[in-house]
Amino acid sequence: AQKVTQAQTEISVVEKEDVTLDCVYETRDTTYYLFWYKQPPSGELVFLIRRNSFDEQNEISGRYSWNFQKSTSSFNFTITASQVVDSAVYFCALMYNQGGKLIFGQGTELSVKP
Amino acid sequence: EAGVAQSPRYKIIEKRQSVAFWCNPISGHATLYWYQQILGQGPKLLIQFQNNGVVDDSQLPKDRFSAERLKGVDSTLKIQPAKLEDSAVYLCASSSPLGLAGYEQFFGPGTRLTVL
Repeated sequence: AQKVTQAQTEISVVEKEDVTLDCVYETRDTTYYLFWYKQPPSGELVFLIRRNSFDEQNEISGRYSWNFQKSTSSFNFTITASQVVDSAVYFCALMYNQGGKLIFGQGTELSVKP
Repeated sequence: EAGVAQSPRYKIIEKRQSVAFWCNPISGHATLYWYQQILGQGPKLLIQFQNNGVVDDSQLPKDRFSAERLKGVDSTLKIQPAKLEDSAVYLCASSSPLGLAGYEQFFGPGTRLTVL
């Protein structure tokens, strides 16, 4: 089965705290792609990162970092020094064939309070 | 570069009525997707087009939903007749295999449908 699980439904932090959003995926395929999207209150899905299954290097982009571990089928997302503007729903997604559909997790609603 | 355009942004109808949504993808994007996002859930694919052909419609409720992309550019999604459980946001996305953003799906703002 192809599946993405985001066990954390809601997370609330105070500004400047670090926060990690968990993502666990299931797939039988050896080649696949993992994504994170942000959905602010306006509703539009904003692409954050794509990772293919052959690239296990962790990535950092400003305050955002991603930890991909094939051994545990996880692709976690950390926001360092969170800000109020980071408040949104974050989705992890799996694509198991190039150009195919995205399979989304349930999403994690992050609330950053001042 | 213009993004994915969708209209209308909001629609309220009564059950058993029909409704249609329109999507214009990013220029040059051959692949177009329609997703349904029910409140509190992640988006779920309804149908995927490659140019004007259907690639995947396995999760489209074909007894009431239909979609077309006649000229391989813009697309319409129709529901007839609508049920209460169709209340959701309908998201259109497009992608291209070319360039640095290969296979990244760009999403439109969505159409929020409320069925009363």
